Amino acid sequence: GAVVSQHPSWVICKSGTSVKIECRSLDFQATTMFWYRQFPKQSLMLMATSNEGSKATYEQGVEKDKFLINHASLTLSTLTVTSAHPEDSSFYICSARDWVGQGGQPQHFGDGTRLSIL
Amino acid sequence: KQEVTQIPAALSVPEGENLVLNCSFTDSAIYNLQWFRQDPGKGLTSLLLIQSSQREQTSGRLNASLDKSSGRSTLYIAASQPGDSATYLCAAINAGNNRKLIWGLGTSLAVNP
Repeated sequence: GAVVSQHPSWVICKSGTSVKIECRSLDFQATTMFWYRQFPKQSLMLMATSNEGSKATYEQGVEKDKFLINHASLTLSTLTVTSAHPEDSSFYICSARDWVGQGGQPQHFGDGTRLSIL
Repeated sequence: KQEVTQIPAALSVPEGENLVLNCSFTDSAIYNLQWFRQDPGKGLTSLLLIQSSQREQTSGRLNASLDKSSGRSTLYIAASQPGDSATYLCAAINAGNNRKLIWGLGTSLAVNP
């Protein structure tokens, strides 16, 4: 159980293109989803947290107009990298969590999307 | 501000060895702690989650312990196998809004046949 599907797994596109990445929880309802960015040989950097039906909360230094997040349902969140440039090339990973009770639930991660902007 | 440190950064062992990966955190007021595995170019697989009220969790050959007072968690891998080769990340989950994960940099493990 607790599968998170992220799509696409790899994107190569030209500079100036907008790219949408989808994150779906397949067998649970994700009240909260997280978007991370990871550079080579570094740990994950949280970009934003989104709760279903409300606006995402962005971490300091992350441009909300650059990285548009939509969490319209309990099973789907999308990250759109608008007008992508080579410096946006990275590995993007989403995670999802179903908040139940006080104990909390673990975060479950997608397989990531490798974005390469030419 | 919570900081998470993992030691060692890299580890290479022969197959069959029992091994311990260490994770320390500076703020003991954590909600829980989670261990993950990441294979190269892949996302993360959740291995174990330890609630703040628990001292350990076990899953198969993996055992994770938590000592909040000393700010430490260990991941014990028994009878290591080449398939265990990956980067192991620990993350402390702070109390507060949204339960953010605070990440260590990981331990890169290579188990040699």
